[in-house]
Amino acid sequence: DTEVTQTPKHLVMGMTNKKSLKCEQHMGHRAMYWYKQKAKKPPELMFVYSYEKLSINESVPSRFSPECPNSSLLNLHLHALQPEDSALYLCASSQGKQGVGMNTEAFFGQGTRLTVV
Amino acid sequence: GNSVTQMEGPVTLSEEAFLTINCTYTATGYPSLFWYVQYPGEGLQLLLKATKADDKGSNKGFEATYRKETTSFHLEKGSVQVSDSAVYFCALSLLNTGTASKLTFGTGTRLQVTL
Repeated sequence: DTEVTQTPKHLVMGMTNKKSLKCEQHMGHRAMYWYKQKAKKPPELMFVYSYEKLSINESVPSRFSPECPNSSLLNLHLHALQPEDSALYLCASSQGKQGVGMNTEAFFGQGTRLTVV
Repeated sequence: GNSVTQMEGPVTLSEEAFLTINCTYTATGYPSLFWYVQYPGEGLQLLLKATKADDKGSNKGFEATYRKETTSFHLEKGSVQVSDSAVYFCALSLLNTGTASKLTFGTGTRLQVTL
């Protein structure tokens, strides 16, 4: 099973709303990622979790708040977003284990298409 | 820093034509190289990978060879189908924070295959 599952697939939210994006993998991967993708652009890295600890924050505004409750789950909490935050949000995972699979590939979910109105 | 350069698209081909999408990279260190494909409205799927020089990745008729001397990883397919129409991303990965790899993507190349 090489599946990363994201919910919801589509989300429309107002600028004062609070919502969460969810991501789940059951491949035993210990590294998980959030990417943001605007139309006709490559994905941009937002956050990296390694062994459930935040290891990279690419200077993302605080209105985006990641959470990794356990090794299989990754959430992205959204609050007071702006219309320019509308994008496809992609979750990914990779093996990320000490001494195993250096530079291994990342597996992506189908994404959540977010529209901020 | 690390970077990936892909040929500009869109690339428009007739079915059964030969495909080449060029990709070159710059990296500090010894990266792994990947091609990802994104179909309309979907996430990214790993198409193929290579982890060391002269490795050839292949999948679904697509191939790419890791060329360290030219820092390239060009994607090829001998005979494209309409179903291959998608955006193709070249990417490199370097171990960054001990266990997590950081992907650097090219800008993507849109391929359109017509009958």
